[in-house]
Amino acid sequence: QVQLKESGPGLVAPSQSLSITCTVSGFSLTSYDISWIRQPPGKGLEWLGVIWTGGGTNYNSAFMSRLSISKDNSKSQVFLKMNSLQTDDTAIYYCVRDGTTVVAPAYWGQGTLVTVSA
Amino acid sequence: DIQMTQSPSSLSASLGGKVTITCKASQDINKYIAWYQHKPGKGPRLLIHYTSTLQPGIPSRFSGSGSGRDYSFSISNLEPEDIATYYCLQYDNLFTFGSGTKLEIK
Repeated sequence: QVQLKESGPGLVAPSQSLSITCTVSGFSLTSYDISWIRQPPGKGLEWLGVIWTGGGTNYNSAFMSRLSISKDNSKSQVFLKMNSLQTDDTAIYYCVRDGTTVVAPAYWGQGTLVTVSA
Repeated sequence: DIQMTQSPSSLSASLGGKVTITCKASQDINKYIAWYQHKPGKGPRLLIHYTSTLQPGIPSRFSGSGSGRDYSFSISNLEPEDIATYYCLQYDNLFTFGSGTKLEIK
C-alpha cells in the first residue's frame, strides 16, 4: 500500500528555516519521483519542487534561491528545507508521489501544517 | 516557466447538470495536463491525466479534452459528492497548477 507521511515542526519563526521529512512506504524512492506541493490557507495549490529517482532536483523558480530537496533512499525519506521563511509561507505542505502510469503527482501524503509566526 | 490560466474561479450548478472548466497554458503543453479534485481536509485526488485518460475508478461522467494551449474539463450528471475545488496541472515542463475552480451545487 502506497503511503507518504510528512512530519514538520508546526510553528516556525519568521526568517528561520523550515525542515520537513516525508517518510514513504509501499514503494521505493529509486522507482518514483517525489514532489513537494503546498497550499496556503484560502489559496490554491503551488508546486515547489521535485526530486527525481536518480536524485536530481528541479525547483519552482520562485523558490529556487531558498529551497532544497534531498532524499535518503535507504531510509525511504525525502527532505524539504526552505530558508528565510515569512508569514506568507504559512501553508499545508504535501509530499506527493507520481502515479504508476503517469509522471504527475498522484499519491498524496496527509500534509503537514506549517505556521510562520513570532 | 509555463503559466496556467484557469477559469472560472467558481461556479454553481444544479444536481444532474453539467459544468465545464477551462485551462489555458502560456505555451503548447502537448496534452500533458492533469485534473484534480480537492476536498477540505484531504489530499487532492487525481482524476484525469494526459488530457482525457481517466484514472482507475473515476466515473465516466468526468471527462477532459483539448490540445495545444487550450484544455477543458467537464463533469456531467452532477452529484452532491462533486462539491470540491478542481485544479488543472501541466506536466509537460516541470509542473504548474491552475488557480482552481470552486464548484458549488445550487
